Amino acid sequence: NAGVMQNPRHLVRRRGQEARLRCSPMKGHSHVYWYRQLPEEGLKFMVYLQKENIIDESGMPKERFSAEFPKEGPSILRIQQVVRGDSAAYFCASSQQESYEQYFGPGTRLTVT
Amino acid sequence: GDSVTQMEGPVTLSEEAFLTINCTYTATGYPSLFWYVQYPGEGLQLLLKATKADDKGSNKGFEATYRKETTSFHLEKGSVQVSDSAVYFCALWGAQKLVFGQGTRLTINP
Repeated sequence: NAGVMQNPRHLVRRRGQEARLRCSPMKGHSHVYWYRQLPEEGLKFMVYLQKENIIDESGMPKERFSAEFPKEGPSILRIQQVVRGDSAAYFCASSQQESYEQYFGPGTRLTVT
Repeated sequence: GDSVTQMEGPVTLSEEAFLTINCTYTATGYPSLFWYVQYPGEGLQLLLKATKADDKGSNKGFEATYRKETTSFHLEKGSVQVSDSAVYFCALWGAQKLVFGQGTRLTINP
């Protein structure tokens, strides 16, 4: 049973480009959470989604960041016009219901040059 | 808002040494508390949890006790192994989201 998949594992973007991070939840999981880990800091909650719905986006920056979890396919975290401060590790987690019982992916490490 | 503070790392120990990683929290009420571990190149894995005061979570020789008087959830292991080298995160479940500490990198030397 495959775990949570994230791709790419490493992503390099120049300032001003767009970054798209993908997360495929575990089979049977319909809840997805995105977290960001800045260098030398802990993981910070960004957004919580269920299929086709954003439930809680209180941790998302107001501009340039968006997330979706369509009926079919992976969840996508999109960062437009990236800046150096967006360089971080982005983790996705999934669960069967709204719960602390979350299973984490290996993360995508975004580097903005 | 809710927050978690961990002891600063990195921590380096010799094999078979005793381990303590301190964790304290600030929260409304009595949240569930967790320790996660992240091995190199992998995602976070739940190591242990405690859902109410005085509960002791344990797994793979690691233990942590939920102390509401001191708002703490310190991680301990009596005899560490090289394979325990990883980053450890303390976390709480509050306002329907996980709140993490900054992580402590542990290195065990043979």
